[in-house]
Amino acid sequence: NAGVTQTPKFRVLKTGQSMTLLCAQDMNHEYMYWYRQDPGMGLRLIHYSVGEGTTAKGEVPDGYNVSRLKKQNFLLGLESAAPSQTSVYFCATQPRRDRDNQPQHFGDGTRLSIL
Amino acid sequence: AQKITQTQPGMFVQEKEAVTLDCTYDTSDPSYGLFWYKQPSSGEMIFLIYQGSYDQQNATEGRYSLNFQKARKSANLVISASQLGDSAMYFCAMRERRKTSYDKVIFGPGTSLSVIP
Repeated sequence: NAGVTQTPKFRVLKTGQSMTLLCAQDMNHEYMYWYRQDPGMGLRLIHYSVGEGTTAKGEVPDGYNVSRLKKQNFLLGLESAAPSQTSVYFCATQPRRDRDNQPQHFGDGTRLSIL
Repeated sequence: AQKITQTQPGMFVQEKEAVTLDCTYDTSDPSYGLFWYKQPSSGEMIFLIYQGSYDQQNATEGRYSLNFQKARKSANLVISASQLGDSAMYFCAMRERRKTSYDKVIFGPGTSLSVIP
């Protein structure tokens, strides 16, 4: 019963390098989200997806790209990493809205440092 | 614009005492949901409790209850009989129930709670 799995858990990059964060879910949820968490700012939405093959921008999308080729996977890419992207990244999923009280289900986070 | 305010960056509570964590929100949508999450030092986000904007009664889940005052747009989390394991960051979040398929969730900045033995 994995739920939402994020890989990697930790990563250190140099400025200008690229990388991809993977979020995998086994709950058959329609919606998937990528957030970043910075001290004193809570979680801010980067990109989201409401279904396979569809993605959209959130609150802070600049410098990131996403893809959802399969329903169970949501990838977050950093094309050219910058120190401002040092953060903890969370993936979250949510079933299609059948009941209002559906919470989001979170992965354990990826701690990313850009030097 | 949506906004979640948590005015207490850090709080202390004595073990076994009750504590209230404040949350105020701003929305023009008549239908919305409010959530509280706990984030211990290990980093995972744990869902605690939910309150719908049309719910007549305040939500309760074990030692957690939500003091929902709709007119004041506040949704304070009350933790009764605090335990050492309650030491964590607590986030208030709001989701509007929109006509579109996407439910946007806004998180507050969080409150750090420390339980003192």
